[in-house]
Amino acid sequence: AQTVTQSQPEMSVQEAETVTLSCTYDTSENNYYLFWYKQPPSRQMILVIRQEAYKQQNATENRFSVNFQKAAKSFSLKISDSQLGDTAMYFCAFMWGDSGGGADGLTFGKGTHLIIQP
Amino acid sequence: NAGVTQTPKFQVLKTGQSMTLQCAQDMNHNSMYWYRQDPGMGLRLIYYSASEGTTDKGEVPNGYNVSRLNKREFSLRLESAAPSQTSVYFCASRLTGGGQPQHFGDGTRLSIL
Repeated sequence: AQTVTQSQPEMSVQEAETVTLSCTYDTSENNYYLFWYKQPPSRQMILVIRQEAYKQQNATENRFSVNFQKAAKSFSLKISDSQLGDTAMYFCAFMWGDSGGGADGLTFGKGTHLIIQP
Repeated sequence: NAGVTQTPKFQVLKTGQSMTLQCAQDMNHNSMYWYRQDPGMGLRLIYYSASEGTTDKGEVPNGYNVSRLNKREFSLRLESAAPSQTSVYFCASRLTGGGQPQHFGDGTRLSIL
C-alpha cells in the first residue's frame, strides 16, 4: 500500500511571508494523482491544488503552487503572500490513476498545522 | 448548490447502540466514499462505492457496513457502536476517472460513550 508522509506537524509564519509544506510518498507505480487539501477550524475539507503525475509542469492556483519532484517522490506546497485565512490543517493526499492497480480513494498524510501570525 | 450533505452533524451514542450516517450528493457523481478522521491523523478510507450497486472495503472497514441506495445516496452503518469508533466521519464524492478530485461533506462528529 502507498504511504504519504508529512514531516512537519506544525509550522508558524508571519503574515505576508512565503511558506513551504513538505510531503513525500511511496509508490512504485507511474499512474497516480496528488492533492493538497486544506481543513480550517470549520472542519471542511477544501481542495487546494491537484497534480497529475504524468505532467512535468508544476500545478499553480493563485498564491498556491507545488514543487513536484517525481523521481524523489516529493510533492511540496508553497503558499506565497500568506494570509490569516490560510491558518488551517493541510493534508497531502495520493490517489491511484484509473489503471494504477490500487484501490479507489485517497491516502492522506497526517497533516501539517499551519499558523499564520498577524 | 448543496454539494455533499451529511446528516446528522453531531451524535452521541452508548456502547452497543446502532446508528446510520446519511450522505447525499447532488453533483451526479458516480463514486462515493466514507472516511474517518481521528486526532493527529489524516482521513482514512472506510468503504467506497465506484457506482450504484457496488461497494468495496477501504483501509479500516471493520465494524462498519455501507449501502449505496441509489446514485445520490451512500449510507454508513455502525451495527454495535464501540468507543474506538469515536471519530469525525466524512463522506465524499467525485466523477469517476481522470483523477477527478473528491468533494467532501462537512463531517459528522460521533462520540461513543
